[in-house]
Amino acid sequence: AQSVAQPEDQVNVAEGNPLTVKCTYSVSGNPYLFWYVQYPNRGLQFLLKYITGDNLVKGSYGFEAEFNKSQTSFHLKKPSALVSDSALYFCAVRDTNRDDKIIFGKGTRLHILP
Amino acid sequence: DTEVTQTPKHLVMGMTNKKSLKCEQHMGHRAMYWYKQKAKKPPELMFVYSYEKLSINESVPSRFSPECPNSSLLNLHLHALQPEDSALYLCASSQDLGRGGTEAFFGQGTRLTVV
Repeated sequence: AQSVAQPEDQVNVAEGNPLTVKCTYSVSGNPYLFWYVQYPNRGLQFLLKYITGDNLVKGSYGFEAEFNKSQTSFHLKKPSALVSDSALYFCAVRDTNRDDKIIFGKGTRLHILP
Repeated sequence: DTEVTQTPKHLVMGMTNKKSLKCEQHMGHRAMYWYKQKAKKPPELMFVYSYEKLSINESVPSRFSPECPNSSLLNLHLHALQPEDSALYLCASSQDLGRGGTEAFFGQGTRLTVV
């Protein structure tokens, strides 16, 4: 079965520093990977996706993610964190073996410290 | 327009009530989803509709009844809910199923409290 894992419950980063939120995946076939962000009491917002092509994917709000096939990872990154980036981040994968069901990781809470 | 609109934003209902959650999108998407999300947890898939037909039911109790009247609308009918059903209910849509790489767009959710 397709799955993603987010090993960190929480990540703390000082404002202005680079940030990384980790995600590893386990898929059979081609991986279709996504990152979403959720602000308090709101829905999920799509940030970026990897389907094929360049391993570095650029997305919304200055975020990017690096797809690494050998390490089965898809870490989310940003060169300079903003306090407004504080939110809950979910890595996700499409389960192409079952009607493209979206499977989410457990989520990582990102705290950007002023 | 990349919006998925959910109504109401908040709902408080008793265990004997019947209520409905509504979801609407005008992006021409043919796949629509209902998710349930508890605090600080990832969304849990409940139902998926593809071309207005139920494609996935994740063994959801019958007190939750989905309906897809047309390609733009998705409803979730609620009856005889339990307090543990209190959660944020999220609707989402995507272009369609079977393409793997299409992202889903989420509504802002309905915060449901069962008393």
